[in-house]
Amino acid sequence: DAGVTQSPTHLIKTRGQQVTLRCSPKSGHDTVSWYQQALGQGPQFIFQYYEEEERQRGNFPDRFSGHQFPNYSSELNVNALLLGDSALYLCASSLVGWDTHEKLFFGSGTQLSVL
Amino acid sequence: GENVEQHPSTLSVQEGDSAVIKCTYSDSASNYFPWYKQELGKRPQLIIDIRSNVGEKKDQRIAVTLNKTAKHFSLHITETQPEDSAVYFCAARQTSYDKVIFGPGTSLSVIP
Repeated sequence: DAGVTQSPTHLIKTRGQQVTLRCSPKSGHDTVSWYQQALGQGPQFIFQYYEEEERQRGNFPDRFSGHQFPNYSSELNVNALLLGDSALYLCASSLVGWDTHEKLFFGSGTQLSVL
Repeated sequence: GENVEQHPSTLSVQEGDSAVIKCTYSDSASNYFPWYKQELGKRPQLIIDIRSNVGEKKDQRIAVTLNKTAKHFSLHITETQPEDSAVYFCAARQTSYDKVIFGPGTSLSVIP
């Protein structure tokens, strides 16, 4: 049973560029959440996708956008990169349901460095 | 929105001693409280979780307690081992459709 997979594992970009990060959820999961984790801090919620729609959004600018595909995989796009966007981007999947719905399973993350 | 605070930010204990990490949350509607362990360079992993209709939950050396009135919840690790060294995050969530909000983390070091 494959867990949550993310690609790429590392990425280096320059200011002003655009980046796309990808996530495949754990088998059987239908919900994908994206988090930004700066060094030494807790994960900060970016947004959540369910049924191909953005259902919840955190306090991130519109430069951060996403998408969920019919197979539940998801992409995170960041436009006009800033130095402050350098962080570990974590994808987490879960399953909507009455019992197991809460458990978030994380991928290993994509380490983004903006120079 | 929900805000989760966590204390202490760093904690050092001798091997075999107990460790306690405390969290508070702001939204009384929150009803699910997971704890995650993140080892250096690795993904956060769920170690235990508790729902608001339960006051305490144990899993071997790990236990979590919840005080809904005070909006506090705590992680207790007994008989600590060097492999318990990691960053621990508490979190809170209102419903299965809501976002999970994380605390800032506690870096636990277990000294052999």
